[in-house]
Amino acid sequence: GQNIDQPTEMTATEGAIVQINCTYQTSGFNGLFWYQQHAGEAPTFLSYNVLDGLEEKGRFSSFLSRSKGYSYLLLKELQMKDSASYLCAVRDIGDSWGKLQFGAGTQVVVTP
Amino acid sequence: DTGVSQNPRHKITKRGQNVTFRCDPISEHNRLYWYRQTLGQGPEFLTYFQNEAQLEKSRLLSDRFSAERPKGSFSTLEIQRTEQGDSAMYLCASSSGPSGGAYEQYFGPGTRLTVT
Repeated sequence: GQNIDQPTEMTATEGAIVQINCTYQTSGFNGLFWYQQHAGEAPTFLSYNVLDGLEEKGRFSSFLSRSKGYSYLLLKELQMKDSASYLCAVRDIGDSWGKLQFGAGTQVVVTP
Repeated sequence: DTGVSQNPRHKITKRGQNVTFRCDPISEHNRLYWYRQTLGQGPEFLTYFQNEAQLEKSRLLSDRFSAERPKGSFSTLEIQRTEQGDSAMYLCASSSGPSGGAYEQYFGPGTRLTVT
């Protein structure tokens, strides 16, 4: 199974940078995903890491260290619309069918 | 729009009643997942289909829950004899391909169930 930890809430100012950390413990690993979820809406895919290093996609970047069981999502040039919950999810190598184990999510609040 | 759709969006039912939810995945996706999400938590895996075959069920899924995916297209999730603890958002997701690679899951808008 998985144990996935991420902070409950983070607050940042519009235009700033926020880094959301995620740690996981797993017997196997087959990829880490970040999803964004606005209140009352479905999660939407942001990024995927399976190898160590940084993946950049516009204002969002995601980093993975498999040896440390650690990932972060970096949100740059924060906008008010970035206020949402950010979910870290891990796919276990033992789960051949690709099911995801999610953390509880980090609520990011962007203030003017 | 060819995204994942779910119906109904909201369902209020009395304890002890049966409810059924429907999910229509993205048409070319052969994998379909059901998750349950409660307030302040991430989605929890319930069950999974590859085409019409149900390949895995979570231990969270009691005998009151059953899911089907006839013909490998849409899927239904039925909850019998609902309990107040079943109140949650039920999310459906679909994806394509083998488990390697990204093959991210695309989520539907969910069905919010309230059991009174």
